[in-house]
Amino acid sequence: DGGITQSPKYLFRKEGQNVTLSCEQNLNHDAMYWYRQDPGQGLRLIYYSQIVNDFQKGDIAEGYSVSREKKESFPLTVTSAQKNPTAFYLCASLKVGVVGFHINQPQHFGDGTRLSIL
Amino acid sequence: SQQGEEDPQALSIQEGENATMNCSYKTSINNLQWYRQNSGRGLVHLILIRSNEREKHSGRLRVTLDTSKKSSSLLITASRAADTASYFCATALQGAQKLVFGQGTRLTINP
Repeated sequence: DGGITQSPKYLFRKEGQNVTLSCEQNLNHDAMYWYRQDPGQGLRLIYYSQIVNDFQKGDIAEGYSVSREKKESFPLTVTSAQKNPTAFYLCASLKVGVVGFHINQPQHFGDGTRLSIL
Repeated sequence: SQQGEEDPQALSIQEGENATMNCSYKTSINNLQWYRQNSGRGLVHLILIRSNEREKHSGRLRVTLDTSKKSSSLLITASRAADTASYFCATALQGAQKLVFGQGTRLTINP
């Protein structure tokens, strides 16, 4: 079955440490996204990538970094510069339409990684 | 403030009743999407309605869109315990390459 796999499901970070969250998809989707969700809140966009070797900052990119070396993979690094990293992180992807980018296409989500501070 | 704001923030009803959730937004959109999130899980896409559409149905779900009022509603008919989840609207802004999510409505169906 095709889908998006996020790992690990739970992750703990020590102060001053960088951690990397994995996101892999086998849907042959072009675009991939990282969101942050705080308790009882909606999703906020961290970074997104439309094609390999290209990505754009979202609304809350500070303290995060990404790479897109392969179409299937879009890892997110939470750096020590992110002072409040405790949150639920969701990865999503979508198939780019013939005309335009995200136009009229739903996003497909992984099951998330919950990051906590030790 | 948020592009998409949902109302109510929480809704608790009896099984078999209908549930209605509303979403308002501020700027012109290309489409509006509704997603469901079960506790501790990712989001699942429910319905996408384009800016030139007024109503769409999918099984027990009915979505309406009123672009003059910049609002949308999601109706779940004959609710079931399995419908217990958070529901989010997301707007695809014209000219933008991303979705903007509301803060969600937490729906509880009581048996």
